[in-house]
Amino acid sequence: AQSVTQLDSQVPVFEEAPVELRCNYSSSVSVYLFWYVQYPNQGLQLLLKYLSGSTLVESINGFEAEFNKSQTSFHLRKPSVHISDTAEYFCAVSDWENSGGSNYKLTFGKGTLLTVNP
Amino acid sequence: NAGVMQNPRHLVRRRGQEARLRCSPMKGHSHVYWYRQLPEEGLKFMVYLQKENIIDESGMPKERFSAEFPKEGPSILRIQQVVRGDSAAYFCASSPLEGLHTEAFFGQGTRLTVV
Repeated sequence: AQSVTQLDSQVPVFEEAPVELRCNYSSSVSVYLFWYVQYPNQGLQLLLKYLSGSTLVESINGFEAEFNKSQTSFHLRKPSVHISDTAEYFCAVSDWENSGGSNYKLTFGKGTLLTVNP
Repeated sequence: NAGVMQNPRHLVRRRGQEARLRCSPMKGHSHVYWYRQLPEEGLKFMVYLQKENIIDESGMPKERFSAEFPKEGPSILRIQQVVRGDSAAYFCASSPLEGLHTEAFFGQGTRLTVV
């Protein structure tokens, strides 16, 4: 069975500082990886995803994540955070082969609360 | 185009009562997914439905839980005879298609508290 580990439950940083939110997964088959963000009082929104191709994926608001197969990691980074980035971030994995080719059966980590302070 | 709408946002039930959680997918979306987030845990898949069909219910508890997505109206997640362990956040997501390149959009969730 798959599992996703987000090592940090809370990450406080100052504005304009760099940040890395860590995510490791365990799976014996090919996987597809996602980061979702949940702003206060809102639903989860897809931030970025890795399906195939380049191992470095980027979002429109400056976040990036790198798929590292040997380390089974998909860490999320941003070189300079803004107060508006304060939110909970969830890493998720989809076991594509065992889901019949679909990505609906996601396994999520427990989430990392990123708090950006002025 | 409104997002995925879930109601109620908060629901309090006494042990033994029934809980009904509603999910209206985004316009044009015919695929609905329910997830549950227990305290201090990540979201876990419960069930995948298309209109009038349950496609995958492998994550649903075997008893007391049921889900439907009728031809008309919202998808309903029903929990009968609730117990304290059912207290959690229940999230619904929808997508227009199924497949790798399809993004699922999530609602704000319903927070169920069983007292």
